[in-house]
Amino acid sequence: DGGITQSPKYLFRKEGQNVTLSCEQNLNHDAMYWYRQDPGQGLRLIYYSQIVNDFQKGDIAEGYSVSREKKESFPLTVTSAQKNPTAFYLCASSELMNTEAFFGQGTRLTVV
Amino acid sequence: GIQVEQSPPDLILQEGANSTLRCNFSDSVNNLQWFHQNPWGQLINLFYIPSGTKQNGRLSATTVATERYSLLYISSSQTTDSGVYFCAVGGTGRRALTFGSGTRLQVQP
Repeated sequence: DGGITQSPKYLFRKEGQNVTLSCEQNLNHDAMYWYRQDPGQGLRLIYYSQIVNDFQKGDIAEGYSVSREKKESFPLTVTSAQKNPTAFYLCASSELMNTEAFFGQGTRLTVV
Repeated sequence: GIQVEQSPPDLILQEGANSTLRCNFSDSVNNLQWFHQNPWGQLINLFYIPSGTKQNGRLSATTVATERYSLLYISSSQTTDSGVYFCAVGGTGRRALTFGSGTRLQVQP
């Protein structure tokens, strides 16, 4: 089936640890995105990538890092520098920038 | 950056009622999407509608780009329509989607 797969669904992290969230798509899309959602709020853009080996900071990039070494993969690392990492993280992709975007099922990260 | 405002923030309906959700945005857009977020957090694509009118079953949407707003119509609402509806836009400057704060819809039986 074509789609966007995020893993894991739930993730628990101790304070001070880095953690990597996976996002894979088999839609052959060039553009990929990471968003963060806090309870009762909308989605905020963390990073986006228009094409392989290129990525740009979004509105809330501090404390996060990404890579785009393969077209189908866009992993997000939440570093220990992120002050409040507990949130719902959503990955998306689109054929090109500004075309219809599709979302994965999300990863719920909890810092314990 | 582009601002996106959705109204109303909360809406409670009886099953069978109709409703209109509004999305205002502050600048020209090349992309506008409506999503429904279900209780498990999944974002379901409803419409890709940077301009014009589209219909899909009981749902329809209209975007008037020159006046910078979009409307989502839900007719004969069902309890399964409950959830949060998001409008998101992509402008000419920053082309990744910017989201509104959503409209939380509760349909009561």
